[in-house]
Amino acid sequence: ELKVEQNPLFLSMQEGKNYTIYCNYSTTSDRLYWYRQDPGKSLESLFVLLSNGAVKQEGRLMASLDTKARLSTLHITAAVHDLSATYFCAVREDGTASKLTFGTGTRLQVTL
Amino acid sequence: DGGITQSPKYLFRKEGQNVTLSCEQNLNHDAMYWYRQDPGQGLRLIYYSQIVNDFQKGDIAEGYSVSREKKESFPLTVTSAQKNPTAFYLCASSAPGQGTVTGNTIYFGEGSWLTVV
Repeated sequence: ELKVEQNPLFLSMQEGKNYTIYCNYSTTSDRLYWYRQDPGKSLESLFVLLSNGAVKQEGRLMASLDTKARLSTLHITAAVHDLSATYFCAVREDGTASKLTFGTGTRLQVTL
Repeated sequence: DGGITQSPKYLFRKEGQNVTLSCEQNLNHDAMYWYRQDPGQGLRLIYYSQIVNDFQKGDIAEGYSVSREKKESFPLTVTSAQKNPTAFYLCASSAPGQGTVTGNTIYFGEGSWLTVV
């Protein structure tokens, strides 16, 4: 059974600081997703990482994938309040079509 | 505009009732999914369908049923057998591609809140 673990579960950080969210998964996969969710809202797609070594950047967020270590990171650079949300990683297990398993999420709070 | 439409946004269910959540997409996607999210938790897969007239159970299918008679529609019925249905339900769709970001992105609807009263 595929397990996806995120840490930390909760992160409070000051504006301007950098931090990294980690996503570990237990079986082979070559497809990893990062989503953002605002309170009471749906999920917004941030990144799709398709291969080992993939790195994607959008604004202050950068995601990377290491399939050998079964690890993805979401790095936040110079955080701003607008980044406050819950961030989920999701993993597609090899051979399971598009079935995704989600992590429990990281709730990010950026304070002034 | 292309997208995924879920309705109703809020729904109240009485004990012993079946209720149906609607999900329609005009993205011409082959694959559709239903997820459940409990407060402060991640998403869990209920059912998914990769093609019309075919669907598979996800991790928590008990107490739920689906149909896929049309490509654009994937309704979810929450039956009375589901003992704890209060949750946020999310429908999603994707067009399984071959190595492209667009083809592999899974898009979500706005969600439906179901509460048992």
